[in-house]
Amino acid sequence: QSVLTQPPSASGTPGQRVTFSCSGSNSNIGSNYVSWFQQLPGTAPKLLIYRNNQRPSGVPDRFSGSKSGTSASLAISGLRSEDEADYHCAAWDDSLSGQVFGGGTKLTVL
Amino acid sequence: QVQLVESGGGLVKPGGSLRLSCAVSGFTFSDYDMSWIRQAPGKGLEWVSYISSSGSFMNHADSVKGRITISRDNAKNSLDLQMNSLRAEDTAVYYCARGGSTWSSLDYWGQGTLVTVSS
Repeated sequence: QSVLTQPPSASGTPGQRVTFSCSGSNSNIGSNYVSWFQQLPGTAPKLLIYRNNQRPSGVPDRFSGSKSGTSASLAISGLRSEDEADYHCAAWDDSLSGQVFGGGTKLTVL
Repeated sequence: QVQLVESGGGLVKPGGSLRLSCAVSGFTFSDYDMSWIRQAPGKGLEWVSYISSSGSFMNHADSVKGRITISRDNAKNSLDLQMNSLRAEDTAVYYCARGGSTWSSLDYWGQGTLVTVSS
């Protein structure tokens, strides 16, 4: 059972905007930065968003993140077939003194 | 460019031991905290261990505490994970990643090494 809660699946059509939710508590999302990772099939996770809404160099601005209270969200606009992947959220947890992850959301591009 | 390469995975019997290593290049290793994260087959990501840049602070997930130990050698640019008393539920791909503290995100990941615990 993951500490952060993510819906197991999401879907969209090319060009559409999709959003992913990530729910936590005061000890993790509520008091620390949230990161998002994209994991393409058979590959290692790749950092997509850090510090709630910052994009690393090379990540398209189609990807955006936000945080409010104990929840965070990731949005992808202008959906493309190559966006089909698993998306994971993460945050430091003050009670556990370690990172906590969501279970991941599998995105299907129809 | 930043590179992290894990090694040491394989098949081990329940109760056995394994030592994973992560060789890094492309950045000043001693400036960065490091972490190990694992992913069981078909499952989500699970944080395993964290170590500060100097090696003076480390922490482990409750699920591995007392059985798994993280360490680093800043002179050799190497991060290790000593795994003892392995259980079937430790079967996973193990990734090393740069960062992982309150202020440093997990910004670079290795390709992972598979650990299979089975008789």
